[in-house]
Amino acid sequence: DQQVKQNSPSLSVQEGRISILNCDYTNSMFDYFLWYKKYPAEGPTFLISISSIKDKNEDGRFTVFLNKSAKHLSLHIVPSQPGDSAVYFCAASVNYGGSQGNLIFGKGTKLSVKP
Amino acid sequence: DAGITQSPRHKVTETGTPVTLRCHQTENHRYMYWYRQDPGHGLRLIHYSYGVKDTDKGEVSDGYSVSRSKTEDFLLTLESATSSQTSVYFCAITGGSGNTIYFGEGSWLTVV
Repeated sequence: DQQVKQNSPSLSVQEGRISILNCDYTNSMFDYFLWYKKYPAEGPTFLISISSIKDKNEDGRFTVFLNKSAKHLSLHIVPSQPGDSAVYFCAASVNYGGSQGNLIFGKGTKLSVKP
Repeated sequence: DAGITQSPRHKVTETGTPVTLRCHQTENHRYMYWYRQDPGHGLRLIHYSYGVKDTDKGEVSDGYSVSRSKTEDFLLTLESATSSQTSVYFCAITGGSGNTIYFGEGSWLTVV
């Protein structure tokens, strides 16, 4: 049973527009959420995170929104750039983050940003 | 750059042979992890370490063992490799504010 779900395997957007990547989770004990970007043949790169005490966190072009009642989070990228084309993973953990390192990952969404 | 080096980066081995992957970190992080990534599964935790000689199992630990004899090195061993262990293996550390996992570049292992 998947605890973290990314239901869209792929997403295509035009350069300059907004990209919205979605993630749903089932475990109400999750209290920390992260987004990673992954290029082929490279390791995942940390993008942005949010704790369960917040509903929004912003870092430059990247904003993560958390809706605890719906057990849903989303990553917004504005404006989208061709270099953002990658696979994006949503991850969640219990006990506020990485000290135990047991991140539960979604299967990823492949984002393609077209010039 | 999280200061993580994985070796080897690519390896092809035969079924039944032992394989050891090495993760080396340069920043004295206490926590280190091994994940594997497979198509359709995202990343899954194999084992982790919370200090020298202190390790614990993750979600998919069967068929794997680990050792950490010094802070900077975390070894993942497949005692007898099987085709189901063909995967990409990522080492990771906890860094930054202490709540974020940072990954290495990956080790591609093919068991034939």
